Amino acid sequence: AQKITQTQPGMFVQEKEAVTLDCTYDTSDPSYGLFWYKQPSSGEMIFLIYQGSYDQQNATEGRYSLNFQKARKSANLVISASQLGDSAMYFCAMREVFYTGANSKLTFGKGITLSVRP
Amino acid sequence: DAGVTQSPTHLIKTRGQQVTLRCSPKSGHDTVSWYQQALGQGPQFIFQYYEEEERQRGNFPDRFSGHQFPNYSSELNVNALLLGDSALYLCASSLGYLLRRGAFFGQGTRLTVV
Repeated sequence: AQKITQTQPGMFVQEKEAVTLDCTYDTSDPSYGLFWYKQPSSGEMIFLIYQGSYDQQNATEGRYSLNFQKARKSANLVISASQLGDSAMYFCAMREVFYTGANSKLTFGKGITLSVRP
Repeated sequence: DAGVTQSPTHLIKTRGQQVTLRCSPKSGHDTVSWYQQALGQGPQFIFQYYEEEERQRGNFPDRFSGHQFPNYSSELNVNALLLGDSALYLCASSLGYLLRRGAFFGQGTRLTVV
């Protein structure tokens, strides 16, 4: 079974600084995908970034980058130049493939609360 | 282009009652998944519908059931509500296989059981 671990307590960062949110995972599947989602107080899960297990380079999406260390089974999210609007819950998730060509469910961690200070 | 829409946004029910939550997927998406998110926790997978059939199910009792309609919209039904069913219920839609973009989520239905 796949498992995502997010153990950081609430994180605080000063506006315009960078912050790293930790995520470790466990799976026996050689092919998997890792996602980070942001959940503001409104409740909607917003996709931030994706990393495939066979991707040669670490993923980047604007101010978001993923520090993927496959051997250590970690996929940390780095947010550069934090903004007040980045204050939210952040979830790391893993894709599990049920069967070829079909959709796959996401297994989520417990999330990390990020607060950006002005 | 409307994203994933869920209704209602909030709901209060009494223990033992039944509830139906609704989800309209993003235009063009054919697969709907439902997740339960308890307060302070990450979402937990309930089940997934594709081609009007339940394709996979998480560790939830039979009190949780669903349906997908020909227009790809979906319903989640919960019978004999328990206090522990109080949570945010999220609907996610996707197309075919789960692309690198990931699933699109709605804003959820917040269910309170009293």
